[in-house]
Amino acid sequence: DAKTTQPPSMDCAEGRAANLPCNHSTISGNEYVYWYRQIHSQGPQYIIHGLKNNETNEMASLIITEDRKSSTLILPHATLRDTAVYYCIVRATSGTYKYIFGTGTRLKVLA
Amino acid sequence: EPEVTQTPSHQVTQMGQEVILRCVPISNHLYFYWYRQILGQKVEFLVSFYNNEISEKSEIFDDQFSVERPDGSNFTLKIRSTKLEDSAMYFCASSPGGAWNTEAFFGQGTRLTVV
Repeated sequence: DAKTTQPPSMDCAEGRAANLPCNHSTISGNEYVYWYRQIHSQGPQYIIHGLKNNETNEMASLIITEDRKSSTLILPHATLRDTAVYYCIVRATSGTYKYIFGTGTRLKVLA
Repeated sequence: EPEVTQTPSHQVTQMGQEVILRCVPISNHLYFYWYRQILGQKVEFLVSFYNNEISEKSEIFDDQFSVERPDGSNFTLKIRSTKLEDSAMYFCASSPGGAWNTEAFFGQGTRLTVV
């Protein structure tokens, strides 16, 4: 089962920052946090991942709390094309390399 | 930009027929996955494949399913005798390695409709 909790849905105004929270209170010390998104029924798209430091790439920023029990994905300037389901995934390190998808957060960017 | 390619994009098959879904992973990637998503439901893990053998499989991946890497570029998922409940989007993914800090890239999927 997914080891994360996300709000089922969020709205964000176009051009504003979208902040998507994720709780992963049972995360282990060597488990990574990954974020993917799925637009309509397309294949999941990789966004970013991190272990404990904050990470930034051309798509987004990932802020992980110091205790690693939660994180926030930030889309700095949301566009209509960012409307999607966003998945926060804690990647198990118990000998399995699979990604376990939960129900995610459905982000709607409003014009 | 390299991408995972899946064919066909849509497959319709009669119940009981065999289907083969094809994937071309990103070149030089070593770890491969199949996932499926029934309409309106979660993305579910089916199987992972590394070094020409299955690394892990889920309960969904029963004897009706098999995977193969027949050559250096293709990765296939075969369903031997399709059932109505096999209707879903099937996604292939690949990653450079199996390490926990390497991301997987997904294809655009094959929509399988069993009638």
